[in-house]
Amino acid sequence: GENVEQHPSTLSVQEGDSAVIKCTYSDSASNYFPWYKQELGKRPQLIIDIRSNVGEKKDQRIAVTLNKTAKHFSLHITETQPEDSAVYFCAAVNTGGFKTIFGAGTRLFVKA
Amino acid sequence: DVKVTQSSRYLVKRTGEKVFLECVQDMDHENMFWYRQDPGLGLRLIYFSYDVKMKEKGDIPEGYSVSREKKERFSLILESASTNQTSMYLCASRDTFYEQYFGPGTRLTVT
Repeated sequence: GENVEQHPSTLSVQEGDSAVIKCTYSDSASNYFPWYKQELGKRPQLIIDIRSNVGEKKDQRIAVTLNKTAKHFSLHITETQPEDSAVYFCAAVNTGGFKTIFGAGTRLFVKA
Repeated sequence: DVKVTQSSRYLVKRTGEKVFLECVQDMDHENMFWYRQDPGLGLRLIYFSYDVKMKEKGDIPEGYSVSREKKERFSLILESASTNQTSMYLCASRDTFYEQYFGPGTRLTVT
């Protein structure tokens, strides 16, 4: 079946450093790629997304890049802060939009 | 502000019991989803609904059923709870731009 692979599963960085999380998807029909952040004990919330007609999108300290040919997309967080510590999920949505396939998640630790 | 609520934050049930998890959204979204979240496995889709009384199986529907009698309410039913259904259950509704809004989750323990 279709899947999304996400790496790394755990990432530990020093405050102020950058963090990069990478995802690979298998469904060629995917055209929407959201990233969700889940803080401990809280619900996942959308932090940024990208659609297949765009290669890169930035929102303050976070950015997402998409390579449709290679079926890769990545989340970049610059100048990390302790409040960035959370689990991050990537996802791929097909053109019908009903099925969202999530990656297994990356637990990010930002050390002060 | 979209609000998705779930009937319980924590639930403890015995093996074999019938379990109802309820989800309500207040944004008139047509699409609603039930996920199961387990460590290292991410979010796995159990069922989704694209309209009242309409439902589709997700990736792991076995042992579950759903009900959507009203647009704002989507219920997940465990017909006969088993210990391997101990998990965090997340409900979500989706807007027309594909963003999903999650409920706070129900942590279900089956003993």
